Amino acid sequence: KNEVEQSPQNLTAQEGEFITINCSYSVGISALHWLQQHPGGGIVSLFMLSSGKKKHGRLIATINIQEKHSSLHITASHPRDSAVYICAVSTGGGADGLTFGKGTHLIIQP
Amino acid sequence: DTEVTQTPKHLVMGMTNKKSLKCEQHMGHRAMYWYKQKAKKPPELMFVYSYEKLSINESVPSRFSPECPNSSLLNLHLHALQPEDSALYLCASSQMNGNSPLHFGNGTRLTVT
Repeated sequence: KNEVEQSPQNLTAQEGEFITINCSYSVGISALHWLQQHPGGGIVSLFMLSSGKKKHGRLIATINIQEKHSSLHITASHPRDSAVYICAVSTGGGADGLTFGKGTHLIIQP
Repeated sequence: DTEVTQTPKHLVMGMTNKKSLKCEQHMGHRAMYWYKQKAKKPPELMFVYSYEKLSINESVPSRFSPECPNSSLLNLHLHALQPEDSALYLCASSQMNGNSPLHFGNGTRLTVT
């Protein structure tokens, strides 16, 4: 069983819809990361969470440590939000890299 | 624009070639990472350097040889690669504590012929 599970794997929605991507993890973590990867490769860090909720523009990320669950929400979705969204966790106190989920491929249609 | 710069963006090499991938950051980060990503898969950790010393090697074949000449630079030397090594190679950097976000480069897309 993968230590980080994401759902859904694929999501197609219409412009303007509210989007939710879910992430569950089975290990102890020091932080949870939400990342965005556009076609062509580069990965951008959207959020890093160890508790509670963070908001940046139209993006909101929440985490429930007790339930080992996090969600990424996109409000008023736009075609430029189309990308792969990856949940990842860091498990150590130092630089030990990230454990990644398999990603959610999001397509927002105009 | 990413703060982690990777060169080249694309590389095609034969199985007998020797080439190097380069990564540079000037954010003062003392942890640097190499990841390999195959199509439609998440990145896989290859190497971690902490304070310019190799701290994690995820059982990577010796045909991949990392080097960290100083705190801003990270290289990945390639020799006698196989076609299955074709992938996107991503460099990242972070501060040393476990609660620091990773900053990724745009990657080098490698094709081994």
